[in-house]
Amino acid sequence: DVKVTQSSRYLVKRTGEKVFLECVQDMDHENMFWYRQDPGLGLRLIYFSYDVKMKEKGDIPEGYSVSREKKERFSLILESASTNQTSMYLCASSDAGLGTYEQYFGPGTRLTVT
Amino acid sequence: SQQGEEDPQALSIQEGENATMNCSYKTSINNLQWYRQNSGRGLVHLILIRSNEREKHSGRLRVTLDTSKKSSSLLITASRAADTASYFCATGITGANSKLTFGKGITLSVRP
Repeated sequence: DVKVTQSSRYLVKRTGEKVFLECVQDMDHENMFWYRQDPGLGLRLIYFSYDVKMKEKGDIPEGYSVSREKKERFSLILESASTNQTSMYLCASSDAGLGTYEQYFGPGTRLTVT
Repeated sequence: SQQGEEDPQALSIQEGENATMNCSYKTSINNLQWYRQNSGRGLVHLILIRSNEREKHSGRLRVTLDTSKKSSSLLITASRAADTASYFCATGITGANSKLTFGKGITLSVRP
């Protein structure tokens, strides 16, 4: 079974803090994704990566950056957390062929910025 | 936008009844997928249907795709209380940097 794990289920940070969300997958997938999910807005893609050290902006990249130094690990970084970044963050991975294969999701990290 | 739009936004049915959820999209796609999300959890992939397929089955799930109408439906037969969840359709296109685009989801409540 594909397993995608995220470093925290719940996280509370203060405004202005630097926040790291980590995601690890164990199926040697090329592609990894970060989404945020907000009520009434569905899932919105923040960044994705199709190879080590490769990254592409999604629909809402502002205020975020990512890092993929190893194939199995994809980190989302909030350089200076703001209250409007309070959200559920979901990581996913998929096999090669972006958009062609199913995505496997982690359990999510509910981030609250106060 | 190719974003899928699900319909209805919320659905409440009795256990044992069938649940039908619809998804419409705007541009040509390579595949359409349905996912389930239990409250506070990540999404779980249910079924994928490719643009050259019209119908697909998986257990109690039946998915249809009508590319001429740019729409899909997900049927859950003989629903159970455990089917209570949010359901999302996601569309994928081929080409460089293609990715899945998710709809806003349908909340299904199955009453015991």
